[in-house]
Amino acid sequence: GQNIDQPTEMTATEGAIVQINCTYQTSGFNGLFWYQQHAGEAPTFLSYNVLDGLEEKGRFSSFLSRSKGYSYLLLKELQMKDSASYLCAVLTDSWGKLQFGAGTQVVVTP
Amino acid sequence: ETGVTQSPTHLIKTRGQQVTLRCSSQSGHNTVSWYQQALGQGPQFIFQYYREEENGRGNFPPRFSGLQFPNYSSELNVNALELDDSALYLCASSTVYGGYNSPLHFGNGTRLTVT
Repeated sequence: GQNIDQPTEMTATEGAIVQINCTYQTSGFNGLFWYQQHAGEAPTFLSYNVLDGLEEKGRFSSFLSRSKGYSYLLLKELQMKDSASYLCAVLTDSWGKLQFGAGTQVVVTP
Repeated sequence: ETGVTQSPTHLIKTRGQQVTLRCSSQSGHNTVSWYQQALGQGPQFIFQYYREEENGRGNFPPRFSGLQFPNYSSELNVNALELDDSALYLCASSTVYGGYNSPLHFGNGTRLTVT
């Protein structure tokens, strides 16, 4: 079957680091995206990995291991505004079809 | 550069009715996709349009249909609404050329409630 698994919820303190893991098993793989979604808003693009390794973009980094079917999103120096759902999504074909995980709700506390 | 816009923002319909949701793609994008997002879940792929043709479809029944227009705007139509159709419907646009896929840019969605 096809699965994309990520934890349901994570809580961390302002200024801390949080790592959101994502494991996937899909029929096709053309890359992996991470999106951020605040309640009632559209998902917004954070990162894209197609090759193994780490991609760093400011406070956010994303890692991919294709052989292990594994990715993580690392959020550093957490801010209150980072409280949101983080969606792991696999690009399953060459036309842009995304298969999403259920999302990880990150709660940042003072 | 204008983003992806969807209308209406919210909609309440009765079971059995039909609904049309609209989307204007981000300028320069040639592909539009529709996703259904139930509360607490990730978005689920409904279908995708490229050059006014359906280019892929998820696990949704035929009563979900769509159109893409020459100006890359799009409609999602749902017939014979069921209670389980209550969800956030997201439109996303992107550019596909030469095997390259730009990231999907999502609209703010239409919240559909079926009573």
